[in-house]
Parts: sequence; structure tokens; C-alpha cells
Amino acid sequence: QSGLTQVASVSASPGQSITISCTGTIRDVGGYNYVTWYQQHPGTAPRLLIYNVHERPSGISSRFSGSKSGNTASLTVSGLQAEDEADYYCASYTSSYTWVFGGGTKVTVL
Amino acid sequence: EVQLVESGGDLVQPGGSLRLSCVASGFTFRNHWIHWVRQVPGKGLVWVARINEEGREKNYADFAKGRFTISRDNAKNIVYLQMSSLGVEDTAVYYCARDGVAFGYDYWGPGTLVTVSS
Repeated sequence: QSGLTQVASVSASPGQSITISCTGTIRDVGGYNYVTWYQQHPGTAPRLLIYNVHERPSGISSRFSGSKSGNTASLTVSGLQAEDEADYYCASYTSSYTWVFGGGTKVTVL
Repeated sequence: EVQLVESGGDLVQPGGSLRLSCVASGFTFRNHWIHWVRQVPGKGLVWVARINEEGREKNYADFAKGRFTISRDNAKNIVYLQMSSLGVEDTAVYYCARDGVAFGYDYWGPGTLVTVSS
């Protein structure tokens, strides 16, 4: 069960947009639309940002959006704000009836 | 208010066992899958196991198979994670999470720390 691949870190200035990619295989990201994204601030539990590749739970800002192409899913954060500085994780259901997370991306707001 | 609260984390010696509990409140517990996810401090999230609404379907990460057992008591709104043959690599914060929307974990507990050390 290899983890999904995410870039380790991304940085940008307030107001800019960033996109975090999450690469898997046909057995997970590419095979199902059960891709989710989580935000985690230090010392806190993760928070669900995106489910079903692009759906936002109630209360999640429209600045967060998700997409998928082939075996790669992406999370875009537009209009970057200071409070967006956090770790971001993707996750996917897999063909083995398990779930797998990405290694996480640390977002720094300059 | 939906709440999940884990407990049972402790310092345990290598080879030892531990049972974690996840107490749920504020929602119809028997209608939801529950997952366990762990995180080594400073590292990433790792999926551990999940149990379906009735407790009949269970799935485990490869590292958990044969050592960890997930179970639930719908009368008490509790999910358990029984862990045995623990190694130092099992040291982590263990979270339980509710599967609320299409395999999205919409509520998480604050986590409980398991430390495996001699």
C-alpha cells in the first residue's frame, strides 16, 4: 500500500493561488472518484475540505476547489490567506478496499 | 454537536498490547462507518482501519492485519481498536474519524497518543 505522491512544500504570497497535486495509480486515484482533501493546522485534527474529487462540505470556503485528471488529483487554493498556512493531505479509496493518504504538502504563506 | 473522543493511549513496551476507544456523540452512530487514522508526530497521516455501520465489514492497512482488530458497540456508541505485538513504529497519535460523505472523514477526534518504548 504505497502512499499517494504529493509535493512536500508550496509557498506563495497572500492573494495568489496555489495548486497541490496528488498522484496515485489506476488502483486508487485514477480508478475512483473518492478523492478527499484535508487541511491540518499544527496540533489539531485534520479538517475535511473536499470529497468526491471536487465537492465541498458545508462551511468550506469556495476558495478551495478540487479536480482530477487520470491518476492525479489536484487541490487549488485561490486568494491565499494567512490562515491557509497548514499541511494539506489528499486521500483516496483503493481497489483493495482500503484507503491511502498522500505524504502531505506544507503550505507557507509568505 | 457531533463529537468523537479517543482514549486509551499510553506508554507501552515493545511487544505489548493496548486498546483504544473512540466514544461518539451528537449523531446517529449506527449509521456511519468509522475509521482509525494515525500520525507519527511531525509526519503524515496514515490510514489504519475501518468498520462499517453494523460492525460486520472491517478492513485494515497491511501493517495492521493480524495485529490490530477494530470493533464497535452500537449500544454504547464506541469503536475500539485493539492493538497487539506493538513495535516502536506504531508510536503515533491515533485518530478516529466519522465517514460522513462519500468516504470523506467529516468529523475527527482530537487523537490519543500511543508511545511504544522500552
